[in-house]
Amino acid sequence: AQSVTQPDIHITVSEGASLELRCNYSYGATPYLFWYVQSPGQGLQLLLKYFSGDTLVQGIKGFEAEFKRSQSSFNLRKPSVHWSDAAEYFCAVRRSNDYKLSFGAGTTVTVRA
Amino acid sequence: DARVTQTPRDKVTEMGQEVTMRCQPILGHNTVFWYRQTMMQGLELLAYFRNRAPLDDSGMPKDRFSAEMPDATLATLKIQPSEPRDSAVYFCASGFGETQYFGPGTRLLVL
Repeated sequence: AQSVTQPDIHITVSEGASLELRCNYSYGATPYLFWYVQSPGQGLQLLLKYFSGDTLVQGIKGFEAEFKRSQSSFNLRKPSVHWSDAAEYFCAVRRSNDYKLSFGAGTTVTVRA
Repeated sequence: DARVTQTPRDKVTEMGQEVTMRCQPILGHNTVFWYRQTMMQGLELLAYFRNRAPLDDSGMPKDRFSAEMPDATLATLKIQPSEPRDSAVYFCASGFGETQYFGPGTRLLVL
């Protein structure tokens, strides 16, 4: 079974600083990879996804993620964080031939002024 | 801007009562998922449907939970009887192809 690890439970970053959230997965083949964001009291919003092709994918809100097969990682980045980016971020993975999504435990991002 | 809708958004009930949560998937989506989110367990898949047929409900406590899709525009998740440990946020998601789109959730509190 696939699993997803988000090593950082909580990250605090200053507004305007860069942000990187880590995600590692355990799966034999190349999975489909996703990043979702959840603002307080809200549902999950899809930021970006990777299925194949270019390993650097661009998403909404200025986010990007890079798939590194050798490291089984799919880290999320943003060059300059805005206060509105304070939220919880979830990495998720699924097999290409299945609909089930496995989620990481989430990383909470706090943005300080 | 098509969205998944869920009702009610919040529900407070007493132990032993029946709870029904509703979801309207995005028109044209052929898969529907129910998730439960708690602080302790994170996001757990309870059930999923494809073309209205249940494909997997192994994540659901069978004795008290049931999920159905009476038609393509409505999915329901029912708990009977409810227990305090069912308190959580329940999300519905729909999809067509590789991506799932989530609703805003139903926050359930069972007293």
